[in-house]
Amino acid sequence: ETGVTQSPTHLIKTRGQQVTLRCSSQSGHNTVSWYQQALGQGPQFIFQYYREEENGRGNFPPRFSGLQFPNYSSELNVNALELDDSALYLCASSYWDREDRYTFGSGTRLTVV
Amino acid sequence: GNSVTQMEGPVTLSEEAFLTINCTYTATGYPSLFWYVQYPGEGLQLLLKATKADDKGSNKGFEATYRKETTSFHLEKGSVQVSDSAVYFCALDDGKAAGNKLTFGGGTRVLVKP
Repeated sequence: ETGVTQSPTHLIKTRGQQVTLRCSSQSGHNTVSWYQQALGQGPQFIFQYYREEENGRGNFPPRFSGLQFPNYSSELNVNALELDDSALYLCASSYWDREDRYTFGSGTRLTVV
Repeated sequence: GNSVTQMEGPVTLSEEAFLTINCTYTATGYPSLFWYVQYPGEGLQLLLKATKADDKGSNKGFEATYRKETTSFHLEKGSVQVSDSAVYFCALDDGKAAGNKLTFGGGTRVLVKP
């Protein structure tokens, strides 16, 4: 089975810009969750997508938005980037009824300057 | 809300030493508990899990027991290797009712020296 693939692996953006991060879920998984991991901290839940709809959201402002596509892949969009958005963004796919089957990608390292 | 607290690192050990990383949690329901490991430059890998009280999760020589009475899930390994150097995260999932999301602790960096 294929794992979770995230792209790009690294990118640098300027404050105020917009960014789109992509995630391909593991084969057989229908749910995608996004997490933000600031340097030296644990991952923080951003939101989850199931059946192409947002299904739960953490404490993140509306400028963090997402999409899930019919093939279960997903995008994370961040508008009006701030310096504090610099972090590792992790995507995790799972099957809805199996919370113990999260598979994480290697992440996208975003640096905002 | 849910929260996970784990001991701060870094934890520096010699090879073959005993490792313990403390983890306690606060949750409204009956969560599943997990330990994830993150190697440099990589994403998170599930190390072990326990889904109910008194369950013991184990994998690769690591063990953790779900203690409901002390709301703890401490990670242990009897004899560490250099290859165990990584960051370890304790996490909980409170199930579908709470949104099927993982709540993580802050991570504990472990460095094993030869």
